[in-house]
Amino acid sequence: NAGVTQTPKFRVLKTGQSMTLLCAQDMNHEYMYWYRQDPGMGLRLIHYSVGEGTTAKGEVPDGYNVSRLKKQNFLLGLESAAPSQTSVYFCASSYPRVNYNEQFFGPGTRLTVL
Amino acid sequence: AQSVTQPDIHITVSEGASLELRCNYSYGATPYLFWYVQSPGQGPQLLLKYFSGDTLVQGIKGFEAEFKRSQSSFNLRKPSVHWSDAAEYFCAVSSGAGSYQLTFGKGTKLSVIP
Repeated sequence: NAGVTQTPKFRVLKTGQSMTLLCAQDMNHEYMYWYRQDPGMGLRLIHYSVGEGTTAKGEVPDGYNVSRLKKQNFLLGLESAAPSQTSVYFCASSYPRVNYNEQFFGPGTRLTVL
Repeated sequence: AQSVTQPDIHITVSEGASLELRCNYSYGATPYLFWYVQSPGQGPQLLLKYFSGDTLVQGIKGFEAEFKRSQSSFNLRKPSVHWSDAAEYFCAVSSGAGSYQLTFGKGTKLSVIP
């Protein structure tokens, strides 16, 4: 099992450009999440999904959109990137009914917006 | 609302010394508690978890944590630190089965002096 994978690992954007981060999991988990991590701020939830075709806002959703068309994939989009979105982005997945929301994380994507 | 406090932002210990990282949580019912470790350039990895039963739980890499309901604490310990333990450590709380929410503390960075 690959677990949770994220594409790409690194990306540099100019202000106003758009991009999509891809997350894939092969554990048949129901729930998937996108977090951002900034120094001293811990992990902050951007959006999450409790199943295929459903998404919801987390703590810091502004400037991001998500889609979950397939159970194993969760996409995070930035329509018009801003320097404040420079961060490390982590995807996670979980199966709460079994594991009380123990979350499994991907390796992260480091995004720089110039 | 649930919350997690990690009072120590940065701790430095000598290799071979004992370690205790503090975690305090706020949650009205029985919490489900986790410790994650994050090495530079990687995603968080689960160290250990507490759901119920024995309040002293063992994890990977020789770590253990003790749940103390009266103190709302879930402190992480290791009797003898190795240089490879240098990383950032996150405590997290979940409200239980079926819940999407995993609330993280802001983390404690551990440095190890050879």
